Amino acid sequence: GIQVEQSPPDLILQEGANSTLRCNFSDSVNNLQWFHQNPWGQLINLFYIPSGTKQNGRLSATTVATERYSLLYISSSQTTDSGVYFCAFSGSRLTFGEGTQLTVNP
Amino acid sequence: GAVVSQHPSRVICKSGTSVKIECRSLDFQATTMFWYRQFPKQSLMLMATSNEGSKATYEQGVEKDKFLINHASLTLSTLTVTSAHPEDSSFYICSAGPSWDTEAFFGQGTRLTVV
Repeated sequence: GIQVEQSPPDLILQEGANSTLRCNFSDSVNNLQWFHQNPWGQLINLFYIPSGTKQNGRLSATTVATERYSLLYISSSQTTDSGVYFCAFSGSRLTFGEGTQLTVNP
Repeated sequence: GAVVSQHPSRVICKSGTSVKIECRSLDFQATTMFWYRQFPKQSLMLMATSNEGSKATYEQGVEKDKFLINHASLTLSTLTVTSAHPEDSSFYICSAGPSWDTEAFFGQGTRLTVV
């Protein structure tokens, strides 16, 4: 099956810093999504981005399907951005990466 | 976006008892819903695909007699953990989307503790 790899696995930032999270997949995928899992476990939809670039406030995402990767940009990070960020793609079901654990310190 | 509601958010039960978790799509119909399990510090692992009006499809290694799934309507799927044991303690989360090949939305998750 298609493999998905996220990097970095862990990231520690000071508040206000910018960061880039990456998701690589081993073959062409459809329906790529980015999620933020907050400390209470809830998965929050960030982007549904099969291709192209989208922006939502301080967050933006780019998927280059032909090169099999997607990037999530977080600018001016805040402590509330802490948590785990997952990318996932769907075929008949969603397949998740292992996630990036982000810690933003005040 | 679409709303998926999961209940309860947290449950503690005694070993040997059964626990039912509900997953509802509030503003759309879902012929298919998905159940995941997540261990601490790990990613989500798909347990089963719940199909409205038919039997669920279980992933390899998931005991279908322990994790009973019922999808009796287009807006409700339930997961029952039968004869629960401490090793069943975990975070369970469901997802659904208007169709299988579009954006997926997740319930709030259920943290199960078996004592």
